[in-house]
Amino acid sequence: AQSVTQLGSHVSVSEGALVLLRCNYSSSVPPYLFWYVQYPNQGLQLLLKYTSAATLVKGINGFEAEFKKSETSFHLTKPSAHMSDAAEYFCAVSDARGKLIFGQGTELSVKP
Amino acid sequence: DAGITQSPRHKVTETGTPVTLRCHQTENHRYMYWYRQDPGHGLRLIHYSYGVKDTDKGEVSDGYSVSRSKTEDFLLTLESATSSQTSVYFCAIREQGIGTGELFFGEGSRLTVL
Repeated sequence: AQSVTQLGSHVSVSEGALVLLRCNYSSSVPPYLFWYVQYPNQGLQLLLKYTSAATLVKGINGFEAEFKKSETSFHLTKPSAHMSDAAEYFCAVSDARGKLIFGQGTELSVKP
Repeated sequence: DAGITQSPRHKVTETGTPVTLRCHQTENHRYMYWYRQDPGHGLRLIHYSYGVKDTDKGEVSDGYSVSRSKTEDFLLTLESATSSQTSVYFCAIREQGIGTGELFFGEGSRLTVL
C-alpha cells in the first residue's frame, strides 16, 4: 500500500532563505507524486506533480521538487522564501486506482 | 478556478443529529472525493465516486454515507453526528481516473459537533 511521510510538522525560515520541505513515500508501484499548498481558510491547490517524465519537476511560484527513487523521496524546495509562501504544504501519492493519499502536512512560516 | 461549490461552508450541530454536506461541480468530471482534514492527520479519504451511483469507501468511512444520483452532485451524510466528526470537510474532483490526474478542491465545509 502507498503511504507518505512528511518530516517536520512545522518549518520556519527567514525571508530570502532556502525552503526545504521533506517528503518520503512508500509505494509498491512506480509512484505518481504531488505537492499541494493550502493558504488559510482555503482549499488545496496543486504546486507540482511527478509523473515519471522528468525527475526534477518545476511548479508554480518558484517551487520545484526532485524525485529520487533510491531515497524514496520527493522533497520540495524554493531558493528564496517570500512572505507570501507562508502556508501549509501537503505531499501526496496516487494509489493504483487514482486516489490520493496525503502526508500529515508541513506548516511553513516565513520570518521578515 | 475549478467549478466546485460546497455547502454549507460552516455548520454547528449537536451530537446525534443528521448532517448532509453537498458538493456541486460544473466541470462534468467523473471522479469525486470527500476528505476530512484534521490537525496532525493531513487529509484522509472518507468516500469517493467513480460515477453516478458508483461509490466506494475510503480509509475513514465509518459513520459516513454518500450518494451520487447526478454527475454534478456528491452528498456526504453523517447519520448521527458525533464530536469526533468535528472537522473540515473537503470535496475534490478529478477528470482522469489514472494516477497522473490532479485533484481540484472545493473551499471546504467546517463542521462543529457539540
